[in-house]
Amino acid sequence: DSGVTQTPKHLITATGQRVTLRCSPRSGDLSVYWYQQSLDQGLQFLIQYYNGEERAKGNILERFSAQQFPDLHSELNLSSLELGDSALYFCASTPREDSGNTIYFGEGSWLTVV
Amino acid sequence: GQQVMQIPQYQHVQEGEDFTTYCNSSTTLSNIQWYKQRPGGHPVFLIQLVKSGEVKKQKRLTFQFGEAKKNSSLHITATQTTDVGTYFCAGHIDKLIFGTGTRLQVFP
Repeated sequence: DSGVTQTPKHLITATGQRVTLRCSPRSGDLSVYWYQQSLDQGLQFLIQYYNGEERAKGNILERFSAQQFPDLHSELNLSSLELGDSALYFCASTPREDSGNTIYFGEGSWLTVV
Repeated sequence: GQQVMQIPQYQHVQEGEDFTTYCNSSTTLSNIQWYKQRPGGHPVFLIQLVKSGEVKKQKRLTFQFGEAKKNSSLHITATQTTDVGTYFCAGHIDKLIFGTGTRLQVFP
């Protein structure tokens, strides 16, 4: 158990819909990362937040947005969903702003768009 | 942009054979990390290498960081079925960039 909690674990939704994925980082970690992993694909970095502020952006679509709240939990919002958005979405956390040390992954949220 | 490539993409070995995955960066890295993701699981940290030419061992796993800090390798001696999974390197520059991963299948 990494200490990073993600909900929901599984989600099936229709094209055009909007979903929210939630992440609680490890206790004491200020930095949260979101990654997308499609079938047989690597880990695509989406976005990073540190202490409530956006720190780095990766290959995140305009239809996607995220935020980190004062209690440090984070949400990833995916809208106007397309079939290609079906993937495993990981949240990860680290204590500091930079990712120079180990990052701890949650178990992921499986999103299936039908 | 900054890229971290891994080869091979897939590797199938017989139990007892050795396995190596290679990681190459287009940019000098400040450190490199290795993660293992079991089928259906999430990436789990294995090790971090920081120094040029560094070699670290974990039982049957040997990790190496190149002299130029642009490449790294993970070698598994005498693979076991428990080694099955995808191995990712992740290079750190100003952010962590994950490699494309090597999926290892071990046949008993």
